[in-house]
This record gives sequence, C-alpha cells and structure tokens, in this order.
Amino acid sequence: DIQMTQTPSSMPASLGERVTISCRASQGISNYLNWYQQKPDGTIKPLIYYTSNLQSGVPSRFSGSGSGTDYSLTISSLEPEDFAMYYCQQYDSSPLTFGSGTKLEIK
Amino acid sequence: QVTLKESGPGILQPSQTLSLTCTFSGFSLSTYGMGVGWIRQPSGKGLEWLANIWWDDDKYYNPSLKNRLTISKDTSNNQAFLKITNVDTADTATYYCARSQFGAFAYWGQGTLVTVSS
Repeated sequence: DIQMTQTPSSMPASLGERVTISCRASQGISNYLNWYQQKPDGTIKPLIYYTSNLQSGVPSRFSGSGSGTDYSLTISSLEPEDFAMYYCQQYDSSPLTFGSGTKLEIK
Repeated sequence: QVTLKESGPGILQPSQTLSLTCTFSGFSLSTYGMGVGWIRQPSGKGLEWLANIWWDDDKYYNPSLKNRLTISKDTSNNQAFLKITNVDTADTATYYCARSQFGAFAYWGQGTLVTVSS
C-alpha cells in the first residue's frame, strides 16, 4: 500500500495568512493526488484533483502543486470558512489511501 | 444537481452483517467512467477507503478488510450497496459514499453513523 504522510497534523494560523500543507507519498504517484476539506459537522468537500486542478466552485485562493512523492496544498489568504480539516488522497494504485489529515486552527 | 445519501442500521451487534445503501441522483451508474465509492471514518480519526464499483460492474476492494466486503449496485434505482460481514467494534464509524470519476471523489454524501455494540 502507498502510505501518505501529511504535515503538519495541526496548524494554527490567522485570517489573511498564507498557509501550505504538505503530503508525501511512500513512492511516486505520478500526480494522482487529490485534496479534500472536512468541516466539523462531517461534510466533506473536494478541493483539488490531479495535483493542481480546482474542483468546480472552489475559490482561487486554493492551489495545489507537486510531483513525484511530494505534494502541497496552499491557501493564499485564509478566510473564516477555511478553518477545517484537510486530507490528501492518492489514486495511483489500489488501495486508495488518504493522508492522516491536517487541522487548520485559528491562532 | 448531484446528491448522495447513505442509509444504514445505526446500531448492530458484533458478528452481524452490516448493510449500507447509497441512494443518489444527478448521475447514472450506467454512464461510462462513473463509479461510486465507500469510505469510512471512525470518530476522531482519518478516512479509510473501502471499495469502489464502476459503470461496467468492475469492483475494487481494500484488502485490509480481507474478504468481508461486498459492493453492488442497482442502476435502475440509482443505488449502490456495501455489505460488511462479521462486524466488530473496530467497524464503528461514519460511512460515506461518494461519486467517483477520473480518480477523484467529487461528490460526497453526508455520512451515516454505524455503531457496533453488544
């Protein structure tokens, strides 16, 4: 199985701040990497697919990048609704696997 | 508008079989490239992919659950199903279904909580 290591596990940040969340795969995943946001009520929203493509309706302050084993999600200027959990997910090979999550908290 | 909604028993006892239903609208599981996946999340923990079923009835399972999983679909009624046999307390989780296409889960249900307890 491909292990996805997400860092940091939690991140205090302020409104307007630029933040980056990292995701490292245990082997190359050829950009087959998605990002999701989960709110405290459990609602899961897809953000980015295939490393850098925004899902429909996702604000442009979200962006993704990476290659090989290393990927990242960047939020350019935090809005109040961005404080949530974030997960990466690889689909290079089965079983599909998720990172352990990053909790973005208000500083 | 794409929507998905999970339904399940809520609570069941160890060793029983868990049956989950995903009822969806806004897409068809007979459309080329379309799929539905099941993902679960124990309280306070991360996401675990369980299984996917595709438009052509191809199926993929997470081997960590060995042979306990069975995924199926009813295309006519826009439903997908997941069965997990011989449940125990470790299967207590919120179970989500999601539309799968081009490797991404682009639409998710709200999740259904399943508790395994004697």
